[in-house]
Amino acid sequence: ELKVEQNPLFLSMQEGKNYTIYCNYSTTSDRLYWYRQDPGKSLESLFVLLSNGAVKQEGRLMASLDTKARLSTLHITAAVHDLSATYFCAALDWGNQFYFGTGTSLTVIP
Amino acid sequence: AAGVIQSPRHLIKEKRETATLKCYPIPRHDTVYWYQQGPGQDPQFLISFYEKMQSDKGSIPDRFSAQQFSDYHSELNMSSLELGDSALYFCASSLPGAGDEQYFGPGTRLTVT
Repeated sequence: ELKVEQNPLFLSMQEGKNYTIYCNYSTTSDRLYWYRQDPGKSLESLFVLLSNGAVKQEGRLMASLDTKARLSTLHITAAVHDLSATYFCAALDWGNQFYFGTGTSLTVIP
Repeated sequence: AAGVIQSPRHLIKEKRETATLKCYPIPRHDTVYWYQQGPGQDPQFLISFYEKMQSDKGSIPDRFSAQQFSDYHSELNMSSLELGDSALYFCASSLPGAGDEQYFGPGTRLTVT
């Protein structure tokens, strides 16, 4: 079974600062997804990373994938309060089953 | 753009009762996935369907069953409900070949008392 781990689990950061969330997965997967979830809400797709070296950016968020290291990162630049949410990564195994990471609860402090 | 529709949005049941959750995928999406998310937990995959056939099975209890109908909507049937079944249940749909990106519905919050 594919295992997906995120760290940190909790992240409190000041507005304007930069930080990176890490997502490690245990077995080969060429597809990595990042989602955002606000409390009590659904999961909003942020990024789909489909190949080694893929890098995608949207606003203050940038995601990358290193399939050899089995690592994806979500980098936050100059954080703002609106980014406060829980961020999940998910990897797809060869059976096309999604496995979610434990989630990173991000709080941006003004 | 049309999104995944789930009904009901909230459901309160008593122990040992049954519940049926419905999911209507995005038009032209032929794959449906069900997830259970407990409080403070990550979503756990339950079951998926492709072209009305079960395609994958995760940690779905034997008390639960699901199916996908000819119009591609799906229903998750839950029997002999337990307190531990209280959770958010998400349905997601995808269009194979598009990176298998899954689009999530708003969820059904089930509370078992």
